Amino acid sequence: QVRLQQSGPRLVKPSETLSLTCVVSGYSIGSGYYWSWIRQPPGKGLEYIGGIYYSGGTYFNESLRSRATLSIDTSRNQFSLQLASVTAADTAVYFCAREGNPISIVGKIDFWGRGTPVTVSS
Amino acid sequence: FELKQSPSVSVSPRQTATITCSGDGLSRKYVCWYHQKSGQAPVLVLYEDSKRPSGIPERFSGSRSGTMATLTISGAQVEDEGYYYCYSTDRFGGVFGGGTKLTVL
Repeated sequence: QVRLQQSGPRLVKPSETLSLTCVVSGYSIGSGYYWSWIRQPPGKGLEYIGGIYYSGGTYFNESLRSRATLSIDTSRNQFSLQLASVTAADTAVYFCAREGNPISIVGKIDFWGRGTPVTVSS
Repeated sequence: FELKQSPSVSVSPRQTATITCSGDGLSRKYVCWYHQKSGQAPVLVLYEDSKRPSGIPERFSGSRSGTMATLTISGAQVEDEGYYYCYSTDRFGGVFGGGTKLTVL
């Protein structure tokens, strides 16, 4: 069973950088799939942030591309999200997930982390 | 690439609930459906338009025709309440519909 364990601060100050990490167990991320981040603002729907392949290939929501950075560490079987210059509009529950199929992003999001609520406030 | 869903659907228990998802790119793309209850991560209920993952009841079915995908819950139960999101991919990655709130009462 694939499990995703998220970690990171739950409170971030405006203009600072949000950083989250997702550790994967039960599957070697170097074997494929995209490893992705999705967020959900309070009372709103799901918003795709982006996904990264073990080789470094990425996809991004165009509205967040300029502020989002994805990284992947196959030796630690984990991947990370950094979102720069945050504002209150970035307050959301952030989910990490496995997306696609072993060789491409086309497919399904089949395993999710439990979600990390992040508040942007001074 | 935008996916549009109606905001809400309401049915009585044991009735059939139908939730739709429309988008110009859907004629060439598979769709997945997710069920989300308050405070929980989404759960995959259908993938590749109509396939059910292990553990998803047979009352969940799906189809796609042209630019519209449909999720059907035959004999909806109270535990099926919550939000349903359609999902597909485009050249930028994943795309979610805005979500449909299903009420069963």
